[in-house]
Order: sequence, then structure tokens, then C-alpha cells
Amino acid sequence: AQSVTQLDSQVPVFEEAPVELRCNYSSSVSVYLFWYVQYPNQGLQLLLKYLSGSTLVKGINGFEAEFNKSQTSFHLRKPSVHISDTAEYFCAVSRAYGGATNKLIFGTGTLLAVQP
Amino acid sequence: EAQVTQNPRYLITVTGKKLTVTCSQNMNHEYMSWYRQDPGLGLRQIYYSMNVEVTDKGDVPEGYKVSRKEKRNFPLILESPSPNQTSLYFCASSFIGLQETQYFGPGTRLLVL
Repeated sequence: AQSVTQLDSQVPVFEEAPVELRCNYSSSVSVYLFWYVQYPNQGLQLLLKYLSGSTLVKGINGFEAEFNKSQTSFHLRKPSVHISDTAEYFCAVSRAYGGATNKLIFGTGTLLAVQP
Repeated sequence: EAQVTQNPRYLITVTGKKLTVTCSQNMNHEYMSWYRQDPGLGLRQIYYSMNVEVTDKGDVPEGYKVSRKEKRNFPLILESPSPNQTSLYFCASSFIGLQETQYFGPGTRLLVL
């Protein structure tokens, strides 16, 4: 079985500062990794995903994440945040093969609060 | 516009009064799923469907039913709602494949009194 841990429930940051949101996963098999963002009163939308290849993945809105297999991590980063980045961010994992039910396991989410 | 729609967006009901939350997608996706989101617990899968007439339980199916009679629709049914089903519900859809991006509806906020 897979699991995802997002240790930070909230991350306050000032506008134009860099930010890192942490995500660690556990799995006995290879995985695909995803970051989704939920803006206030909206559904989730995909920021980026890691399937294979380069461990540095670039997504929308200037976000990027790095897959680190040895540390089982997939941290999300942005070099300079904007007020409009205020949202909840979810890390998710799926098996990379076998029993293709499209099942996603989500972390508990990190609220990024960008302050002026 | 490609989208997943849910109705209603907000619902207040009383214990035991049957309700249905509708979900529809226009992307010809085979896979559809329902999640509930609760503070501190993230999103948990309730039911999913791999295609028409093919449904299966997720992690928290108790108290819910689903049906998939048409490819585009995947309603969530609460036959006898209870206060512990007060939550934010999301419908999602995608093509079949573990690498596929799931597309989420805007959510339905349910309060059961």
C-alpha cells in the first residue's frame, strides 16, 4: 500500500519570498507522484506530475518539484510567490503499474498563506 | 469547455432524508470517482467506476451508493444521511491509466443536521 505525508499543515510566507512544501511518500513498488492545488471554493487542479525520466519536474504557475527516490520525497518549490498562490496544496501518489484502478492516495494538504 | 460539473454546490439536509449529488463530465472519460474532503484528513475515495455499469468501493464507502448507467454521469446517493457525512465532496474523472491526470469538479458542501 502507498501513503503520503505532508508534515506542514500551514506554511505562511511573505510575497516574493521562496517557498518549499514538503511531501514524503511510502511505497513498496514504483510510484507516480502528483501535486494538485485547490484555490478557495474551487476543485483541485493538477500542478505537475512525475512519471519517469528527469527528477526535476516543472509545472504551471512557476512551480517545480524534485523527485528524490532515496529520500522518498517529492517537495514542491517556487522561487518567488505571489498573493494569488494562496491555496491548499495536495501531494498524491499512485502505483506505477499493476491493478490500474487510477487510485490516487492523497496527503492531508498544506495551506500556503502568502502575506503582503 | 472540458469540465466536471456537480450539483448542488451547497446542500443542507436533515438526518435520514435521502439525497443525490449529481456529477457529469464532458471529456469522454472512462474513469470517475467520488472523494470526500475533511479537515486534517485530506481526500479519501468513496467509490469509483472504471466504465459504464462497473463500480467498486473506495476507502470509505459506508453510507453511500453510486451508479454508472451512462458514461458521462456518476451520481452519489446518500440513502439515509447522518451528521458524520457532513463534508465537502468532489467528483473526479480521467482516462484509464495510473499516469492519467484526474479532473475535479468544483465540490459540493453538504451539511447534515
